[in-house]
Amino acid sequence: KQEVTQIPAALSVPEGENLVLNCSFTDSAIYNLQWFRQDPGKGLTSLLLIQSSQREQTSGRLNASLDKSSGRSTLYIAASQPGDSATYLCAVRIPGRRALTFGSGTRLQVQP
Amino acid sequence: DTAVSQTPKYLVTQMGNDKSIKCEQNLGHDTMYWYKQDSKKFLKIMFSYNNKELIINETVPNRFSPKSPDKAHLNLHINSLELGDSAVYFCASSQEGELFFGEGSRLTVL
Repeated sequence: KQEVTQIPAALSVPEGENLVLNCSFTDSAIYNLQWFRQDPGKGLTSLLLIQSSQREQTSGRLNASLDKSSGRSTLYIAASQPGDSATYLCAVRIPGRRALTFGSGTRLQVQP
Repeated sequence: DTAVSQTPKYLVTQMGNDKSIKCEQNLGHDTMYWYKQDSKKFLKIMFSYNNKELIINETVPNRFSPKSPDKAHLNLHINSLELGDSAVYFCASSQEGELFFGEGSRLTVL
């Protein structure tokens, strides 16, 4: 059974810092991995999707990497801003199953 | 233009009542989902439909009944509501593996 873990559960950093959020999964046979952002009381916004054949994806100040063999993904946020404050969730999809398995998220607070 | 929209956004009701949440997507996706987010913010799949056909049913009580009248709509009906049903219910749709979520429907059972 696929399990997804995100560390740390919460993170507080001053504005301008570069930071890394971690995601690990127990079964390396994944179809893809997706990073989401959730603001309080809101839905999930898709940030990056990495297919199993890819090593990384970039969008603006965000870079997500995938190491399937070790069951890990990282989300790198460059030059963090207060507007980046949110909960970040990673989720994996396994072959033959359309639903995602989610981690419990990392709550990020960027202090101005 | 909202891609995945759910109604109502908030729902407060008494134990034992029956309620429905509606979801519509205008993305042309074939697959739709219902997820439940509990008080600890953990998201768990409940149901998935592909082209109106149920493909995932994750040991959800029979009191929960999804219905997909067409591939753009997936509704969730809940009978005999219990306190433990209080949560945020998210609808989502996907094509080619990437999921897009609605804003969520916060259900509070008193």
